[in-house]
Amino acid sequence: GEDVEQSLFLSVREGDSSVINCTYTDSSSTYLYWYKQEPGAGLQLLTYIFSNMDMKQDQRLTVLLNKKDKHLSLRIADTQTGDSAIYFCAESANYGGSQGNLIFGKGTKLSVKP
Amino acid sequence: KAGVTQTPRYLIKTRGQQVTLSCSPISGHRSVSWYQQTPGQGLQFLFEYFSETQRNKGNFPGRFSGRQFSNSRSEMNVSTLELGDSALYLCASSLVRGARAGGSDTQYFGPGTRLTVL
Repeated sequence: GEDVEQSLFLSVREGDSSVINCTYTDSSSTYLYWYKQEPGAGLQLLTYIFSNMDMKQDQRLTVLLNKKDKHLSLRIADTQTGDSAIYFCAESANYGGSQGNLIFGKGTKLSVKP
Repeated sequence: KAGVTQTPRYLIKTRGQQVTLSCSPISGHRSVSWYQQTPGQGLQFLFEYFSETQRNKGNFPGRFSGRQFSNSRSEMNVSTLELGDSALYLCASSLVRGARAGGSDTQYFGPGTRLTVL
């Protein structure tokens, strides 16, 4: 089966860059996603990257994909206190009856200190 | 355009009862997926509906069921509630089915329904 792993915690100072890492197992995943969850809220789609891309940039967010190592990272430039949240990496399932659903990591809790 | 809406936002039930949760997708979206989020297990896929048919199902017991209406709105039902069913239930909608292709298949999530089973 597929599995997605992330470190659980990351603490940075306001204004620094944050890098959240993720590893996945399904090499056939077409798209990989980053979602953000604030306390008491649902998941907010931040960005996604197609598996034939190495990098995608969207304002303060940069996604890097190393398909050989099955490693995905999300870099947040100039991290602000409002970026404090849990960040989930997800890949799309490609097996059996669950084909098409998202497989999530456990989430990385980002704490931004002023 | 309005986002995904879920009702109710909070529910408290007792063991043995049943519960129905509702999800209204983004206008024009035809696929609705449900996920369960708990501190221990994280986010787990429950099922996906497209054109009123269940297309995919995760590894949950038969007590968890759902349906989709002709207007793409979806409901999920949990019967004979257990303490372990306490969770945040999230609904996600996408333009077309599945999340494989990204783009138009990208899933957008609602705020969730927080279910507490006492």
